[in-house]
Amino acid sequence: IQMTQSPSTLSASVGDRVTITCRASQSISTWLAWYQLKPGKAPNLLIYKASSLESGVPSRFSGSGSGTEFTLTISSLQPDDFATYYCQQYLTYSRTFGQGTKVEIK
Amino acid sequence: EVQLVETGGGLIQPGGSLRLSCAASGFPVTNNSMTWVRQAPGKGLECISLIYSGGSTDYADSVEGRFTISRDNSKNTLFLQMNSLRAEDTALYYCARAHSTGYVMAWGQGTLVTVSS
Repeated sequence: IQMTQSPSTLSASVGDRVTITCRASQSISTWLAWYQLKPGKAPNLLIYKASSLESGVPSRFSGSGSGTEFTLTISSLQPDDFATYYCQQYLTYSRTFGQGTKVEIK
Repeated sequence: EVQLVETGGGLIQPGGSLRLSCAASGFPVTNNSMTWVRQAPGKGLECISLIYSGGSTDYADSVEGRFTISRDNSKNTLFLQMNSLRAEDTALYYCARAHSTGYVMAWGQGTLVTVSS
């Protein structure tokens, strides 16, 4: 299963609403997770089962979608949110990731 | 607190071998699915190996036959034995704890493997 994220890079300002899209090459129901990566730090799970917020993750993060189209939304971008975000399908054992979306300061 | 600490990375010549270790704390490795995920320079994430709570294993095609995942329950440690290393194996290798359904619940900070002559 191929996972395609868009955009690859996103420039935004603090306070902006940000949406990242992830498309699967075939239906994965809601077997989708979102992660945040920062250089030199352990990656962080944000969302699982497409829309379930991981404990401890700020409520400004939300996920939606099912089948082949999914979105990660940050309702009001904070300075700590500038990072790279990856989606991952876990329907199949290959557990493929999207290519990542880098959120940069505008 | 769940913690994963990877060690064993370094510079290795093509064709060589390395063994990565991942010391886990805060949960038992034996009762959980564990995985190794790598990120090559400038590239995305790739899940390369999994060991399930029951002991069965899976590998990505890119490492099948060259890499072996295992665990030592007495040391609560996960391992990745990497043989016949290639330049394309150069990457940051993350150890991670997976939920039974498949997503990654917790990650280490990674250990860098560089394959170069």
